[in-house]
Amino acid sequence: EAGVAQSPRYKIIEKRQSVAFWCNPISGHATLYWYQQILGQGPKLLIQFQNNGVVDDSQLPKDRFSAERLKGVDSTLKIQPAKLEDSAVYLCASSNFSGGLSKNIQYFGAGTRLSVL
Amino acid sequence: DAKTTQPNSMESNEEEPVHLPCNHSTISGTDYIHWYRQLPSQGPEYVIHGLTSNVNNRMASLAIAEDRKSSTLILHRATLRDAAVYYCILRDFVRNAGNMLTFGGGTRLMVKP
Repeated sequence: EAGVAQSPRYKIIEKRQSVAFWCNPISGHATLYWYQQILGQGPKLLIQFQNNGVVDDSQLPKDRFSAERLKGVDSTLKIQPAKLEDSAVYLCASSNFSGGLSKNIQYFGAGTRLSVL
Repeated sequence: DAKTTQPNSMESNEEEPVHLPCNHSTISGTDYIHWYRQLPSQGPEYVIHGLTSNVNNRMASLAIAEDRKSSTLILHRATLRDAAVYYCILRDFVRNAGNMLTFGGGTRLMVKP
């Protein structure tokens, strides 16, 4: 079974530029998550989709970050304009609630490492 | 979700058992205890979870204190590939409708050959 695919793996941009990250979840997984992981910290949830609807975006800085999941499969996370503090790894995860509600394993991609100069 | 407390780092020798502690004194009755780990340059991966009873799987064992205020992840024979950051996470499946994961700082496990 293929895992969660993310691209690009690395991106370097200058502040005030725009950037987009792409995620392809595991086939059949209805729930998709985007996390931000700053160096030395644990991942922090930015947004969660159930199919193509947003479940939770309370921690997404909506003045500069946007995300969409058209057709309930692939997802794109965009930053416009980027700030220095956006330098981080952006992780995508998916789940399908298999194994019962108590388990609900999230499967993560390898992430995109963003450096804002 | 209730908070957890873990040591920042731990060291182990290869092929020896490792006990990774986690304190969660404010755990509620509907909180499940989940462990994920993050290998270098990879996303986190699920390790194990439990509610009240000790649990075993092919990766590790989870020992849960009787009062559930602490738990221990046990790697029976550490290998160099087990060097990672280990996260202990509480997930309330009643109030946490989205089942999101709230990560803390985790424990960085270093394995010496």
